[in-house]
Amino acid sequence: QKEVEQNSGPLSVPEGAIASLNCTYSDRGSQSFFWYRQYSGKSPELIMSIYSNGDKEDGRFTAQLNKASQYVSLLIRDSQPSDSATYLCAAPGGSNDYKLSFGAGTTVTVRA
Amino acid sequence: DVKVTQSSRYLVKRTGEKVFLECVQDMDHENMFWYRQDPGLGLRLIYFSYDVKMKEKGDIPEGYSVSREKKERFSLILESASTNQTSMYLCASSSGQSSGNTIYFGEGSWLTVV
Repeated sequence: QKEVEQNSGPLSVPEGAIASLNCTYSDRGSQSFFWYRQYSGKSPELIMSIYSNGDKEDGRFTAQLNKASQYVSLLIRDSQPSDSATYLCAAPGGSNDYKLSFGAGTTVTVRA
Repeated sequence: DVKVTQSSRYLVKRTGEKVFLECVQDMDHENMFWYRQDPGLGLRLIYFSYDVKMKEKGDIPEGYSVSREKKERFSLILESASTNQTSMYLCASSSGQSSGNTIYFGEGSWLTVV
């Protein structure tokens, strides 16, 4: 079983809609979770990190963490064409592990 | 501002050549990483280093080696390049030993082996 798995894409949403991305992880000891955005041909850049159960909001982005169910999600509200990218979910291998495992990514296309 | 610099952005090498990919970070980070990224496979960890002259294998170390002689510099070496090593290589760094520390990426090195 892969350590971090993301729901299959690609995901296409109209401009202004909500894009919902999901991720599950296998290690119950993981304490921190990250969402990276990667534009085509570019390197990943961090957009959200979350450490506690519940929601964390940053502008149009909301990360949701449920440790009991071992999933983390990312919502993009009022999606814009500039949000078109691949989104990578990442989690450490364990509670004391500073190495990140990455999901395969979900490609989001926002239709104008 | 955080800066991870990969000096070689685009390389074309022949099968059997020795290839060096260099990475420098200016944040005084303890940890440095080399990942490769392939379509459908995501990011896979090749090697990482948590201190000068210290290194550990990641998930796919075969065919690669690394060198970290100075804290700010982490090199990836392909001893004898093969076509299946054609990929995008990403260097990254982070501070400390906490699992909550952010990993910062360089711009990537696109390697083609012909």
